[in-house]
Amino acid sequence: AQTVTQSQPEMSVQEAETVTLSCTYDTSESDYYLFWYKQPPSRQMILVIRQEAYKQQNATENRFSVNFQKAAKSFSLKISDSQLGDAAMYFCAYRGSNDYKLSFGAGTTVTVRA
Amino acid sequence: KAGVTQTPRYLIKTRGQQVTLSCSPISGHRSVSWYQQTPGQGLQFLFEYFSETQRNKGNFPGRFSGRQFSNSRSEMNVSTLELGDSALYLCASSLVQGITEAFFGQGTRLTVV
Repeated sequence: AQTVTQSQPEMSVQEAETVTLSCTYDTSESDYYLFWYKQPPSRQMILVIRQEAYKQQNATENRFSVNFQKAAKSFSLKISDSQLGDAAMYFCAYRGSNDYKLSFGAGTTVTVRA
Repeated sequence: KAGVTQTPRYLIKTRGQQVTLSCSPISGHRSVSWYQQTPGQGLQFLFEYFSETQRNKGNFPGRFSGRQFSNSRSEMNVSTLELGDSALYLCASSLVQGITEAFFGQGTRLTVV
């Protein structure tokens, strides 16, 4: 079974600053997908960014970018120019290439200080 | 395009009762997955349906069941409710072709008293 680990239960960042959330995973597959989801207090899970394992280039989506290290099985999320609306719980998730099941990490709560 | 719709949003049930939750996927999405979210266990996969067939099942007791209809709408049922079943139940839908991400509904908050 795939295991996803988020070692930071909470992170705090000053508005306009940068914060990096860590995620590691365990898999024996060579082809898979990785995601970061955001869950604000409304509880709606919102996709932030995704990464295909076969792509070496790190995904970027506006102020959000990832550092994907396949050999190290690491997938960190960087939030640049943090905004108050970024405050939420962030989940790292893994999906196999032939599977629609998502395996989630425990989540990291991000607080943005004004 | 409408998002994933889950009904009801909130539900209070008594221990021993059964409950049915509904999920309408995004139009054109044929895969529907269900997840249970609790403070203690986090997000756990329940099951996934495609073309009315359960393709994958998580590690939950048989009290948890589901089904998918020909229009891709899905229901999940929990029988003989226990206090520990209190959770946020999330439904997600995905396209099947190509690389696709899961889009989530707002969830159903189930409280068992």
